Amino acid sequence: QVQLQESGPGLVKPSETLSLTCTVSGGSISVYYWSWLRQPPGKGLEWIGYIYKTGITNYNPSVKSRVTMSVDTSKNQFSLRLSSVTAADTAVYYCARGQGSMLDYWGQGTLVTVSS
Amino acid sequence: EIVLTQSPGTLSLSPGERATLSCRASQSVSSSYLAWYQQKPGQAPRLLIYVASSRATGIPDRFSGSGSGTDFTLTISRLEPEDFAVYYCQEYGTSPQYIFGQGTRLEIK
Repeated sequence: QVQLQESGPGLVKPSETLSLTCTVSGGSISVYYWSWLRQPPGKGLEWIGYIYKTGITNYNPSVKSRVTMSVDTSKNQFSLRLSSVTAADTAVYYCARGQGSMLDYWGQGTLVTVSS
Repeated sequence: EIVLTQSPGTLSLSPGERATLSCRASQSVSSSYLAWYQQKPGQAPRLLIYVASSRATGIPDRFSGSGSGTDFTLTISRLEPEDFAVYYCQEYGTSPQYIFGQGTRLEIK
């Protein structure tokens, strides 16, 4: 059974960089595409981007200038960095596995609050 | 960029009733690229339906998906208490890769 777990600071100051890691267990990260998504409190879902084992990425234009994703296949982990954060970046952040057109496995999510 | 509009915003029904949720795309979408998710409070979304009409592993057969082109539907034949949640449709596109509708809240009447 594939499981994903997000980790990282729950509080980030405005203008700083948000950093999260997703650890994948029960399956290899060397297959499929791996995505980050977020959900502001009380709102809908927004896809941030994905990364493949080779380092190929695809980012949502809405955050493309501020996002960097990386992958560490030796640790079965992939990571998200979002720079110059503001209060609008406060959200629950999810990692998920992309299998073609669908996102079939999700982490439980982690709340990141942007506040001084 | 395709926009997905879900209706109604909130649907109030009783257990045992039939639920019909709509997802309309601003332009034609391949059925191969349309999925539905269920999200309960405090939980991550769960994949219900993929390629418009195929149930994901472990999803009860009271859930069904249909549609093509710009109009897609998620139907729950007989509502169980655990079905009351928020439902999202999702399209797999180009940029951005995954687009979601704004969600339909299914609440107990």
